[in-house]
Amino acid sequence: AQSVAQPEDQVNVAEGNPLTVKCTYSVSGNPYLFWYVQYPNRGLQFLLKYITGDNLVKGSYGFEAEFNKSQTSFHLKKPSALVSDSALYFCAVNRGYQKVTFGTGTKLQVIP
Amino acid sequence: DTEVTQTPKHLVMGMTNKKSLKCEQHMGHRAMYWYKQKAKKPPELMFVYSYEKLSINESVPSRFSPECPNSSLLNLHLHALQPEDSALYLCASSRGGRDNEQFFGPGTRLTVL
Repeated sequence: AQSVAQPEDQVNVAEGNPLTVKCTYSVSGNPYLFWYVQYPNRGLQFLLKYITGDNLVKGSYGFEAEFNKSQTSFHLKKPSALVSDSALYFCAVNRGYQKVTFGTGTKLQVIP
Repeated sequence: DTEVTQTPKHLVMGMTNKKSLKCEQHMGHRAMYWYKQKAKKPPELMFVYSYEKLSINESVPSRFSPECPNSSLLNLHLHALQPEDSALYLCASSRGGRDNEQFFGPGTRLTVL
């Protein structure tokens, strides 16, 4: 089965501090992993993806993610958090045949 | 144009009403999706259209009826819904490959009375 897990319902971080939102995956074969962000009452926006290649993936709005095969993790990171980064973040895996499974989501709260 | 549009933004309907949700994209994407999302939960896949043909139906009740009139449009027809169907309905599109990200519309907030 292809799945992702987000162990934290909420992450609080002070503005200007680095942030990490955790995601672990369980995938057979090559993983196709994605991060999306959702602002209140809006659709999801794509941030970045890992398909193959470099383990450090850079995405939109200064976000990056590190793919770690040995720890089966794909954590989302940003060096310096902004208040405007406060949102709901979803990790996702493409299971094939156009089916995408999302993690349960992590609410990021950046405190001024 | 990298935008997926959805209408209406909000919809309130009774359990006996018939209504439709509409979605449009002009990115030439061959795959289009309907998701249902409850508050603070991840989106749940309902339907997938590939090349205008229904390719996935995730055991959705028949009171939800999808339609893909052409490669740019996707509809979701609603009939005899239940209050528990109240949710945010999201449309998305993608190039369809396993490595392709999805582009989401802003959603339709549906309330069933």
